[in-house]
Amino acid sequence: EAGVAQSPRYKIIEKRQSVAFWCNPISGHATLYWYQQILGQGPKLLIQFQNNGVVDDSQLPKDRFSAERLKGVDSTLKIQPAKLEDSAVYLCASSLDPSRNQPQHFGDGTRLSIL
Amino acid sequence: AQSVAQPEDQVNVAEGNPLTVKCTYSVSGNPYLFWYVQYPNRGLQFLLKYITGDNLVKGSYGFEAEFNKSQTSFHLKKPSALVSDSALYFCAVRSPYGGATNKLIFGTGTLLAVQP
Repeated sequence: EAGVAQSPRYKIIEKRQSVAFWCNPISGHATLYWYQQILGQGPKLLIQFQNNGVVDDSQLPKDRFSAERLKGVDSTLKIQPAKLEDSAVYLCASSLDPSRNQPQHFGDGTRLSIL
Repeated sequence: AQSVAQPEDQVNVAEGNPLTVKCTYSVSGNPYLFWYVQYPNRGLQFLLKYITGDNLVKGSYGFEAEFNKSQTSFHLKKPSALVSDSALYFCAVRSPYGGATNKLIFGTGTLLAVQP
C-alpha cells in the first residue's frame, strides 16, 4: 500500500511569512494527525482529525496555526505568521482505528526553517 | 497526566552484541505502550506494541520489548545488533481511558549507534 505522502519536504521562509503543508494519508484511514517535532525532542501532537472532524486540537497554537481536512481525506496545515520557534519538522500520520491501538503510519515530514 | 522517560540520549553497542534501549512510563491504569524507529530525514516507523497479555512482545526487524508493570518499564531489546539498526528510537504511551481521542505521548528519543 502507498504510504502517507507529504509535501513539500523542505521549506525555508522568513519570520512573519505564511506557509502551508499538505498531507495525503493512507487510503481508508479515517484518523489523521499532525505532529511538530523540534530537534532533539519527540513528536508533539498538534491536531487529530477523525474523518473531517477535529478530535483534539488542545496543543495547536490557534492564534497562528490552522488545519483543515475538508473532504475527510487530504489535509493542510498552515502557519501564519511564522515565528522563529516554529522551526521544526512537521509530521503527518494516519491510522486505521486508533481506538483499537492500530499503529500510526507516518509520512517523511516537512522540515521548516524560519530565518 | 501520562509521560514517558527515555533516560539515555545515546546508546552505543558493537555489531553482534545485544542491545537494550530503556523506557519508563507514568500513566493511570494499564498502559498501552509502543516503540517507533526514525531513520535520518524519515518519518517514524512502528516497531511493536504492548496492549495486554504476554509481557514479552516481539516486533519488526528482530526487536522485542519487555513490559514490567512493577518497574513501569518497557525496554526495547535485540539479541544481536546490526549496523543498520543505527537510528533514533522513540517510546510512546497511551492511556487506556478516553478511546480514540487519547493521544500518544512520545519520549525524547534515544539515538542508537551500532559500531561495525
